[in-house]
Amino acid sequence: DAMVIQNPRYQVTQFGKPVTLSCSQTLNHNVMYWYQQKSSQAPKLLFHYYDKDFNNEADTPDNFQSRRPNTSFCFLDIRSPGLGDAAMYLCATSRTTGTGANVLTFGAGSRLTVL
Amino acid sequence: GQNIDQPTEMTATEGAIVQINCTYQTSGFNGLFWYQQHAGEAPTFLSYNVLDGLEEKGRFSSFLSRSKGYSYLLLKELQMKDSASYLCAVEDSNYQLIWGAGTKLIIKP
Repeated sequence: DAMVIQNPRYQVTQFGKPVTLSCSQTLNHNVMYWYQQKSSQAPKLLFHYYDKDFNNEADTPDNFQSRRPNTSFCFLDIRSPGLGDAAMYLCATSRTTGTGANVLTFGAGSRLTVL
Repeated sequence: GQNIDQPTEMTATEGAIVQINCTYQTSGFNGLFWYQQHAGEAPTFLSYNVLDGLEEKGRFSSFLSRSKGYSYLLLKELQMKDSASYLCAVEDSNYQLIWGAGTKLIIKP
């Protein structure tokens, strides 16, 4: 089945120790997104890639970086995690068609705990 | 600023009907989405409205009034598995998705 896969599902790290989260998709969607979601809050968009074009949200901290080496893969790097970065990180994809709904397909998420 | 408002939490009884409201103020409008999110899981797409009126999909229906900046999600014949958060999101004129914080729906037997 075509899907969006995130690894790891659960990540525990120490304060300041770098973390990389990965996302892969078999949907051949051209847009990929990284969201941060804290408990009972709206998902917060960190970055998105429109094809190869990288789009950084204005309020995304410099501590967060992203890479998309090819259409299928995307990575989120947190260079120096702080306690406030503990959250669920959601990868999503969509395909721009020019018409109709831009429906996002989400991966299962990576839950980050910072000790 | 852009804003999506929905109730924080609602409780309903198994087998009953519940309506979850969403009001929005955004820079333009290109469509409204409802997503379901079970605890600890990722959101999954439920419905999309771009024109005024009711869209029905099985036990779930979604309504939109663009002039009022208002939508609701109607869930019929509630089942225990419908216990989840329901997220309202609006695509603005820049095709940016503005998310609400979600409504946590608790279903009681």
